[in-house]
Amino acid sequence: EVQLVESGGGLVQPGGSLRLSCEVSGFTFSSYWMSWVRQAPGKGLEWVANIKQDGSRKYYVDSVKGRFTISKDNAKNSLYLQMNSLRAEDTAVYYCARTVTTGARFDYWGQGTLVTVSS
Amino acid sequence: QSVLTQPPSASGTPGQRVTISCSGGSSNIGINTVNWYQQLPGTAPKLLIYSNDQRPSGVPDRFSGSKSGTSASLAIGGLQSEDEADYYCAAWDDSLNGGVFGGGTTLTVL
Repeated sequence: EVQLVESGGGLVQPGGSLRLSCEVSGFTFSSYWMSWVRQAPGKGLEWVANIKQDGSRKYYVDSVKGRFTISKDNAKNSLYLQMNSLRAEDTAVYYCARTVTTGARFDYWGQGTLVTVSS
Repeated sequence: QSVLTQPPSASGTPGQRVTISCSGGSSNIGINTVNWYQQLPGTAPKLLIYSNDQRPSGVPDRFSGSKSGTSASLAIGGLQSEDEADYYCAAWDDSLNGGVFGGGTTLTVL
């Protein structure tokens, strides 16, 4: 059974940092692109970033470029999102998602972890 | 303002057929495949349709997708109360080098 479990969310002050993790099981992690997608409270879905199977290619939405870094550790079956210089508008539930190729086909999702940026 | 445009709401009565549209452009839907997601209240999104018109295993054939030019549509036939959810279209955008979603459509079963 494919499982994705996010962790690391919480309350952080503006300008602060947070590192999200996504531990996966039930499939060969090293064979898949992976993505982060977020959803602000009461709002729609927003793609944040993705990373190639071996970590050699990464893409980001413009609003997080230079502040967020996506990475993965294939030995640990884990995906990460390092978030720096956090802003109020980054407040959202963050989902990790298994991704088919580099596109927008996310075939398995985690349950999400809430990040709240507030003073 | 989302890159892909969806109507904010749609509705129908049980048994009816409803269609949700998704309009994009030449750098996203025009050259890449469209995927649809269903998000039930309080849950994570679920892949409903991929590659324009393909259903993952377990998705009822009441759900169907199509694409023409820079637009796509999701059709739900034989509407059921459990279909009440938010529906999102998504595609890769070659100009942005990123994924893009529609703003979402809230489906109400009357």
